Amino acid sequence: NAGVTQTPKFQVLKTGQSMTLQCAQDMNHEYMSWYRQDPGMGLRLIHYSVGAGITDQGEVPNGYNVSRSTTEDFPLRLLSAAPSQTSVYFCASRQTSLPDTQYFGPGTRLTVL
Amino acid sequence: GDSVTQMEGPVTLSEEAFLTINCTYTATGYPSLFWYVQYPGEGLQLLLKATKADDKGSNKGFEATYRKETTSFHLEKGSVQVSDSAVYFCALRGDSSASKIIFGSGTRLSIRP
Repeated sequence: NAGVTQTPKFQVLKTGQSMTLQCAQDMNHEYMSWYRQDPGMGLRLIHYSVGAGITDQGEVPNGYNVSRSTTEDFPLRLLSAAPSQTSVYFCASRQTSLPDTQYFGPGTRLTVL
Repeated sequence: GDSVTQMEGPVTLSEEAFLTINCTYTATGYPSLFWYVQYPGEGLQLLLKATKADDKGSNKGFEATYRKETTSFHLEKGSVQVSDSAVYFCALRGDSSASKIIFGSGTRLSIRP
């Protein structure tokens, strides 16, 4: 099993550009989520999904869109990047029946100029 | 809403010193409590967990006890090593299997040889 994979590892964008951060898991986990990590603020939940076709907002959803067309994939879209979105982004997944065991991807470091 | 407060870092210790990283929480019901560790350049990994009051989680020489009376889950290790240098996050999950995981702000630990 590859676990949770994220691409790209690094990305630099200009203000106003759009892009999609990819996240995939091969563990058949129902629950997937996106976090951003900023210095001194820990991880904050952006969006999450409890299964294919179902998504919901987390703590800081503004400026981000998600979709969940398959169990495996949970992409995060930035429609019009802003410098405030400079951060490290982590995708995570878990089984609903094992809610205490969450797996994280290696992260994507995004810089918006 | 639910929240986690942990001691601010950075914390710098000498090898073989005793470690305590404080964590307190606010939550309704009976949350599960976690410590995650993030090594440089990597995603978060679950270090230990406790799911009910008075439970002690332990792993790799680290321990934490779920204290409901003081709403605390302090992380301890009797003798730290240079390889323990990392960022440590305290976290909680509410008592529904679909509950989100809430993270503290993280504590950076550096161990001097």
